[in-house]
Amino acid sequence: KQEVTQIPAALSVPEGENLVLNCSFTDSAIYNLQWFRQDPGKGLTSLLLIQSSQREQTSGRLNASLDKSSGRSTLYIAASQPGDSATYLCAVRQNTDKLIFGTGTRLQVFP
Amino acid sequence: DAGVIQSPRHEVTEMGQEVTLRCKPISGHDYLFWYRQTMMRGLELLIYFNNNVPIDDSGMPEDRFSAKMPNASFSTLKIQPSEPRDSAVYFCASSRQATNEKLFFGSGTQLSVL
Repeated sequence: KQEVTQIPAALSVPEGENLVLNCSFTDSAIYNLQWFRQDPGKGLTSLLLIQSSQREQTSGRLNASLDKSSGRSTLYIAASQPGDSATYLCAVRQNTDKLIFGTGTRLQVFP
Repeated sequence: DAGVIQSPRHEVTEMGQEVTLRCKPISGHDYLFWYRQTMMRGLELLIYFNNNVPIDDSGMPEDRFSAKMPNASFSTLKIQPSEPRDSAVYFCASSRQATNEKLFFGSGTQLSVL
């Protein structure tokens, strides 16, 4: 059974710092991995999707990498801003149409 | 497109009452998913549909839960009778046919069962 773990559970950093969020999964047979952002009281917004054949994806200040063989993905946020404060979740898709979500990392960026 | 639309945004009901949550997926999306989110269990997939057909309902916790998708633009999740432990945020999400497509979420329904 696939298990997705995110470390740390919470992170508080000053504005301007570069930071890395981690996601690990137990079964490397995945189709893709997505990183989502969730603001309080809101739904999830997909940030980046990495196909199993890809190593990384970039969008603005965000960069996500994928190492399937080791069952790991990282989300790199450059020059963090208070507006980046949210919960970040990763999710993997296997040989079904279902996404398996991690428990998330709650990020706070203070001025 | 307006995105995935869910209603109501908040629902407060008493134990034993029937609750119906509604979802309108993004036009052209063939997959629709119902998730439940709690602090203790995180995001759990309840059921999903492909082209209006239920594919996997193994996440539905009990027979008290049922879901329908009568057409491509509408789905309901019903709880009857509701219990306090059903209190959670219920999300609907949709995506295109291909498996390598992003998933789009609605804003969720905050359900409180007293």
